[in-house]
Amino acid sequence: DAGITQSPRHKVTETGTPVTLRCHQTENHRYMYWYRQDPGHGLRLIHYSYGVKDTDKGEVSDGYSVSRSKTEDFLLTLESATSSQTSVYFCAISESSQGTGELFFGEGSRLTVL
Amino acid sequence: AQSVTQLGSHVSVSEGALVLLRCNYSSSVPPYLFWYVQYPNQGLQLLLKYTTGATLVKGINGFEAEFKKSETSFHLTKPSAHMSDAAEYFCAVTLNSGGYQKVTFGTGTKLQVIP
Repeated sequence: DAGITQSPRHKVTETGTPVTLRCHQTENHRYMYWYRQDPGHGLRLIHYSYGVKDTDKGEVSDGYSVSRSKTEDFLLTLESATSSQTSVYFCAISESSQGTGELFFGEGSRLTVL
Repeated sequence: AQSVTQLGSHVSVSEGALVLLRCNYSSSVPPYLFWYVQYPNQGLQLLLKYTTGATLVKGINGFEAEFKKSETSFHLTKPSAHMSDAAEYFCAVTLNSGGYQKVTFGTGTKLQVIP
């Protein structure tokens, strides 16, 4: 199994509070991704990273920011959580940018915003 | 632009019956196609992928898929369902998009296997 650890695995928070989710990998893969999974929507890309301090927006990036100060860590921050951000968040890693590579996923972080 | 359509958000089959999960895609360039499986409370894991070459692709756990360019399809099949196949299945299309791997997922199909 790919070494990907997400923390926390479960979190309940209140509207307006900041939340940070952490993804840690031991595979030394260059590319890291944050997705959210919602019923009826599949997985949607929030942000991705193609190297240390190199990040860019995905299709649903509003309300989220990311940082990657080390190869192994990719942080997702909700500056002021809203109920619409209640979701399951998955981190994924890949060593390929060519489209042919497999994504390896963490086990997910379930976030509930009350 | 690329997109993926999975027909049927829920599919039920009897144990031992054929499994057929449908996936159609659109892509402006030759696609790379994937099927991922997600078991409850877990992340996704790769079942199989098509990049180039043989259009019939075999994956783990007895699954296979056939890339049909004329039909823009990549349906997933398994001759005989097992109880352990109950999971959610995602079709995905990927391409190299300006330095990262852009992956578009379908909305998923939950497979129920009835004893």
